[in-house]
Amino acid sequence: KNQVEQSPQSLIILEGKNCTLQCNYTVSPFSNLRWYKQDTGRGPVSLTIMTFSENTKSNGRYTATLDADTKQSSLHITASQLSDSASYICVVSAEQSNFGNEKLTFGTGTRLTIIP
Amino acid sequence: DTEVTQTPKHLVMGMTNKKSLKCEQHMGHRAMYWYKQKAKKPPELMFVYSYEKLSINESVPSRFSPECPNSSLLNLHLHALQPEDSALYLCASAAANYGYTFGSGTRLTVV
Repeated sequence: KNQVEQSPQSLIILEGKNCTLQCNYTVSPFSNLRWYKQDTGRGPVSLTIMTFSENTKSNGRYTATLDADTKQSSLHITASQLSDSASYICVVSAEQSNFGNEKLTFGTGTRLTIIP
Repeated sequence: DTEVTQTPKHLVMGMTNKKSLKCEQHMGHRAMYWYKQKAKKPPELMFVYSYEKLSINESVPSRFSPECPNSSLLNLHLHALQPEDSALYLCASAAANYGYTFGSGTRLTVV
């Protein structure tokens, strides 16, 4: 069964500090891995997307890593801001046989709270 | 235009009402999706449309009826819902394995 596990479940850090969120997955055959930021009651917003051959991808203060051998990914947030408070969701996609039939496996997310 | 637009943003409906959720994208994506998300849970896939044809129905009750009038629009018709159907309903669109973009959602409350 395809699974995505995230840790920690929740995290509280001071504004300006860095943090790293973890994602472990067992999805086969692997296609890509995405990190999303989701504010409460809003739709997820894409931060990064990585395929099998990519190890690191950055988007501003967000840097994602992928180790396809160990099936692990991390999301590093630098110099956190109050607006970073949200849930961060790791989503892994399995290769699709037909376009549109892509199946996404969602992690349960890490709830990040930035305090002043 | 790199957005998926959902309307309305909030909806309160009675159990005997009929309402519709709307989703629109102009990115040329040919796959569109409906997800249901309960609080503090990951989104659950409901329906997938590929090239305007229903390709996946994840055993969703018939009180939810999807419709894809054209490549830019996706509707979700609601009828005789139950209070447990209250949730955030998300629309998404995709081009191949990339560009999976979510809308901001409709927060539905059934009373």
